[in-house]
Amino acid sequence: RKEVEQDPGPFNVPEGATVAFNCTYSNSASQSFFWYRQDCRKEPKLLMSVYSSGNEDGRFTAQLNRASQYISLLIRDSKLSDSATYLCAVAGAGSYQLTFGKGTKLSVIP
Amino acid sequence: DAGITQSPRHKVTETGTPVTLRCHQTENHRYMYWYRQDPGHGLRLIHYSYGVKDTDKGEVSDGYSVSRSKTEDFLLTLESATSSQTSVYFCAISVGGYEQFFGPGTRLTVL
Repeated sequence: RKEVEQDPGPFNVPEGATVAFNCTYSNSASQSFFWYRQDCRKEPKLLMSVYSSGNEDGRFTAQLNRASQYISLLIRDSKLSDSATYLCAVAGAGSYQLTFGKGTKLSVIP
Repeated sequence: DAGITQSPRHKVTETGTPVTLRCHQTENHRYMYWYRQDPGHGLRLIHYSYGVKDTDKGEVSDGYSVSRSKTEDFLLTLESATSSQTSVYFCAISVGGYEQFFGPGTRLTVL
């Protein structure tokens, strides 16, 4: 089993739709979790950290399920500008190294 | 803006030539990282540094070396470039916690 896995997509959704991505991780000792957004031919940019209690930033909600070892990202009211690839990243206990998923591509369609 | 620059931004070179990529940060962060990103593989860690002259290997370190003689600069060297090292290379830093912030990337083509 790969350390961090994501559905590669693509997810093609209409504007205004709600879309959710999951990311599973294999190391139960993982401590820190993140979602990044990457536009075509650009660097990944931190979108959200994922806390045990879950967190929300506007239209974006991130959640952690330690029992099932996955994190999720929910995007409500999708905008054309949300079209990008979304990467999840996981850090092990006491480690500053991040392991990234391969990313999920989202296309929001007019 | 995490104040990270990478140079060069684009490079085309020939097999067997040495190549050095530079990552520069302006804010004296301790941890710096080099990744490569390839279709089908995602981001993979090459090497990282946790201080001046302190470096360690990542997942895909074969064929690469690094040096960090100053806090602000982290160099990645391909001693003898091969076509399999054609990739996009990203530098990143950790700021405070485990979050990493990335530079704009270097597109390297090895012919």
